[in-house]
Amino acid sequence: DAMVIQNPRYQVTQFGKPVTLSCSQTLNHNVMYWYQQKSSQAPKLLFHYYDKDFNNEADTPDNFQSRRPNTSFCFLDIRSPGLGDAAMYLCATSRGGTGSPLHFGNGTRLTVT
Amino acid sequence: SQELEQSPQSLIVQEGKNLTINCTSSKTLYGLYWYKQKYGEGLIFLMMLQKGGEEKSHEKITAKLDEKKQQSSLHITASQPSHAGIYLCGAAANNFNKFYFGSGTKLNVKP
Repeated sequence: DAMVIQNPRYQVTQFGKPVTLSCSQTLNHNVMYWYQQKSSQAPKLLFHYYDKDFNNEADTPDNFQSRRPNTSFCFLDIRSPGLGDAAMYLCATSRGGTGSPLHFGNGTRLTVT
Repeated sequence: SQELEQSPQSLIVQEGKNLTINCTSSKTLYGLYWYKQKYGEGLIFLMMLQKGGEEKSHEKITAKLDEKKQQSSLHITASQPSHAGIYLCGAAANNFNKFYFGSGTKLNVKP
């Protein structure tokens, strides 16, 4: 089945130690998204790629970076994780344009110790 | 950014009862999407509404869009324990590739 896969499901990192979360898709979708979701809150859009075009949300901290080396893969890099960065990170894809729902992976839960 | 307000924040209903969840947008809607999330997992797409007055159903879940009021409602008929989870509405901004979500309605269905 075509899908969005996030690895790992659970990630523990130390305060200040760089961490990378990965996302892959077999849907061949143009757009890939990264969201941060904290408990009982709305998923917060961090950035998205339309093909290779990177779009950052204005309030996304500089500590968060992303790479999309090809259509299938997208990475979220947190350069110096703080305790406040502990959250569920959700990757999603869509074809793009109107009428294109997002398809989500199962998320990576990040713990910062 | 698009702001989506959902009500209620949480809901506990007896199995078999009907319920309604509402979603109100602060800006013009360019499509409204409903998702379901189980704890600790990703979001599952339920349905999409694009035109004012549009209504869609899937099994016992019906969603309607009132474009003028910038609102949508999700109605579950004869709720079952399998309906339990968090329901989130989502909408695209005028840049159709920017997608925002409400904070969700947590639904518990008591057997």
